[in-house]
Amino acid sequence: GAGVSQSPSNKVTEKGKDVELRCDPISGHTALYWYRQRLGQGLEFLIYFQGNSAPDKSGLPSDRFSAERTGESVSTLTIQRTQQEDSAVYLCASGRLTFYGYTFGSGTRLTVV
Amino acid sequence: GNSVTQMEGPVTLSEEAFLTINCTYTATGYPSLFWYVQYPGEGLQLLLKATKADDKGSNKGFEATYRKETTSFHLEKGSVQVSDSAVYFCALSDDGTASKLTFGTGTRLQVTL
Repeated sequence: GAGVSQSPSNKVTEKGKDVELRCDPISGHTALYWYRQRLGQGLEFLIYFQGNSAPDKSGLPSDRFSAERTGESVSTLTIQRTQQEDSAVYLCASGRLTFYGYTFGSGTRLTVV
Repeated sequence: GNSVTQMEGPVTLSEEAFLTINCTYTATGYPSLFWYVQYPGEGLQLLLKATKADDKGSNKGFEATYRKETTSFHLEKGSVQVSDSAVYFCALSDDGTASKLTFGTGTRLQVTL
């Protein structure tokens, strides 16, 4: 597609439920990144995929968070047993090489109540 | 580890004023440096970049020069417009390959008539 597509755009969930967030990167972009942006804060790196392998998962905040990617296509970020502190905008970005810059999606706003 | 420090906002300017948003970094090796912009209600967009010392990135009237001696990448614009109102993020990557970006906390710019 023309841009990075994320779904859903908004998600309200009850504490303790599991959620899945989806990212469709730009076709041909081998690198895919997940970031989290809490209200009023900067971007927090979560995980990076090159193809379908994840050479850097260092940002995942706990074992409740996991992500996978199918080939050089769709990625899903799963949060199990959501907590209120998980409330944030989850951003996905894709790219070829970092120095060309990533292209970001519009994000999924997750609210845990 | 790598880090990026940006001046705190919000920055409020009148239209046609000169803009500087300071950014300094700490990194090993030779990072690439970026400015991203987030307009209200939109996703992050790459504004400009520089991949080596003394490079100047420029776009839409904005400029930033990679200063290795002062580890800085300050964003400047000679005459801001109301449409420049947004949040600006400084970022760096470890090297030119597809590694993660480390972002600053963002600086909100508000331009008034």
